[in-house]
Amino acid sequence: AQSVAQPEDQVNVAEGNPLTVKCTYSVSGNPYLFWYVQYPNRGLQFLLKYITGDNLVKGSYGFEAEFNKSQTSFHLKKPSALVSDSALYFCAVRGGFQKLVFGTGTRLLVSP
Amino acid sequence: EADIYQTPRYLVIGTGKKITLECSQTMGHDKMYWYQQDPGMELHLIHYSYGVNSTEKGDLSSESTVSRIRTEHFPLTLESARPSHTSQYLCASSDAGTVVSGNTIYFGEGSWLTVV
Repeated sequence: AQSVAQPEDQVNVAEGNPLTVKCTYSVSGNPYLFWYVQYPNRGLQFLLKYITGDNLVKGSYGFEAEFNKSQTSFHLKKPSALVSDSALYFCAVRGGFQKLVFGTGTRLLVSP
Repeated sequence: EADIYQTPRYLVIGTGKKITLECSQTMGHDKMYWYQQDPGMELHLIHYSYGVNSTEKGDLSSESTVSRIRTEHFPLTLESARPSHTSQYLCASSDAGTVVSGNTIYFGEGSWLTVV
């Protein structure tokens, strides 16, 4: 079965510093991986996805993610964090019948 | 981005009441989904549909039911609400994508249900 793991419940970073939110995956076959962000009392917003091709995927709001097949990872990154980036971030993998299987989420807190 | 609309956004109802959470999308997506999420927690798929007259139960067992009579509409119904149903319900839809780009699932703003 397809699954993703987000090992950190919370990530704290100062504004202006680079941020990384970690995700590892377990799939049979080629992985289709996604990152979503959720602000308080809101739905999920799509950030980016990896299907095939370049290992570095660029997405919305200056975020990017690096696909690493040997480490089975898909970490979300941003060179310079903003306070407004504070939110809940979900990694997901496409499972059977094109459903998404989500990780447990990582809360990102960017301090001024 | 897909336009997905959920109503109501917030609902407080008494135990035993019947409720329907509405979800509609204007992008003509064939695939639609309902996820359940407790505050700040992971999402669990409870229902999905591949098109009109197609509905399937998801990975998490739910007492709710769904229907798909029209492509754009995917309502979720609880016949008799209980406090254990208190949660956020997120509706989503998916484009067809391509072999290269794959498909992307887009979410509505969610419906917060509180059963007292």
